[in-house]
Formats: sequence, C-alpha cells, structure tokens
Amino acid sequence: DAGITQSPRYKITETGRQVTLMCHQTWSHSYMFWYRQDLGHGLRLIYYSAAADITDKGEVPDGYVVSRSKTENFPLTLESATRSQTSVYFCASGLMRFGQYFGPGTRLTVT
Amino acid sequence: SQQGEEDPQALSIQEGENATMNCSYKTSINNLQWYRQNSGRGLVHLILIRSNEREKHSGRLRVTLDTSKKSSSLLITASRAADTASYFCATDAIFYTGNQFYFGTGTSLTVIP
Repeated sequence: DAGITQSPRYKITETGRQVTLMCHQTWSHSYMFWYRQDLGHGLRLIYYSAAADITDKGEVPDGYVVSRSKTENFPLTLESATRSQTSVYFCASGLMRFGQYFGPGTRLTVT
Repeated sequence: SQQGEEDPQALSIQEGENATMNCSYKTSINNLQWYRQNSGRGLVHLILIRSNEREKHSGRLRVTLDTSKKSSSLLITASRAADTASYFCATDAIFYTGNQFYFGTGTSLTVIP
C-alpha cells in the first residue's frame, strides 16, 4: 500500500541505550522529515533530508543522528537516549513547498 | 523561538458556527500551510498559501495571508463535530543558511454537536 509508515509505534527504553526509529515511504518523495511533538512546544523539526545522502539539521538536532541511503527510508537514531527525548516522533515526506504527508507517529518513552 | 504562534490556544463552538484561528510568524516565508491533527494521529495537510497570495479557499476552509503583518488566519465555515481537532500553521521560512520549516503550537478546536 502506498503511504508512509513508522516503526515501532510504541517503544520504551532505558536512559543511555541506543534507539532507532524507522520511517518508510512509498511515494518516492525527495524530501523526508523527522519531528518531535511535545506538549507546549508543538512540532519541532529535528532533521530533514532533501534526497538520498543529503541531510540537514532542523531546530532541535542535538542527540539525534539520521541517515538516508535510500530514497524511501529515513531512520532516526538516538545514540544515547535521555529522558528529555521522551516524546512522540513523527516522520513526514513530501515537499516543503507543496505540503507534507505524515506517518502515524512513534511514542517513545525513556525511563 | 522562530515558530509560529496560534491564537487562540483553545476554541469551543457550537456545530454550524464558524471557527477562526490565527497564526503569527517571525521571518520571511515562501509559503504558509495549515494542518489538522486528530487526537493521537498524524497531521493532515489542509491548505497551502504562497507568499504572493492573499487568500485561498478549499471547500469550507478559507485562508488569508498578510505578509506585512506576518500573520495568517484559517476560517472554517459551518463547522461540524468532525472538525474537532488541533490545527497547526507551518511556515516554510527563509534564512540565509537555507530554508527551515516551523510549526506553531496549535489551536485546539472543539465543535459541540
């Protein structure tokens, strides 16, 4: 099915562990984005990618690493998870200039 | 913060009434977009207005943009209970280092049947 999927949908991890959130889109959109959503902050852009092997920092990139070896995949890694990274993470694809399509989100809890 | 700010933060209206929410931003933009988020779900793109446009319509949605005031408004006419959701503005903002994309903090709309 065409669309954008995220996995896992829910994740509980411990402080200091590495966690990778996956994002996959089937539209062949050139741009992909990672956001986090926290109460009182709305959505904040973590990283985005304009094409395979091209990534750029967003508003809150510290503590996160991304890669994009294939157009359809854009994983987000928390190298050493902290409690402040407890959040709902949304992946999106599309174009800044035409609108983005969002995945269903991953709820991450860091204990 | 460079993010947009929506006003009001929360809005409660009766079904059939119109709902208006506003967004202010801080930088020059290429475009401004409005999104809807139902509880616990991802965001859905509603409408995009470019910086050289002043008004745009899509079904029951009307968006205006005033770049001199750095503000936008979203009007939902003849509201329905199904319109209950959070609404976010997002700006494709222009910086000398490149474009950035910012979401506002959202307006929570409740439509009472």
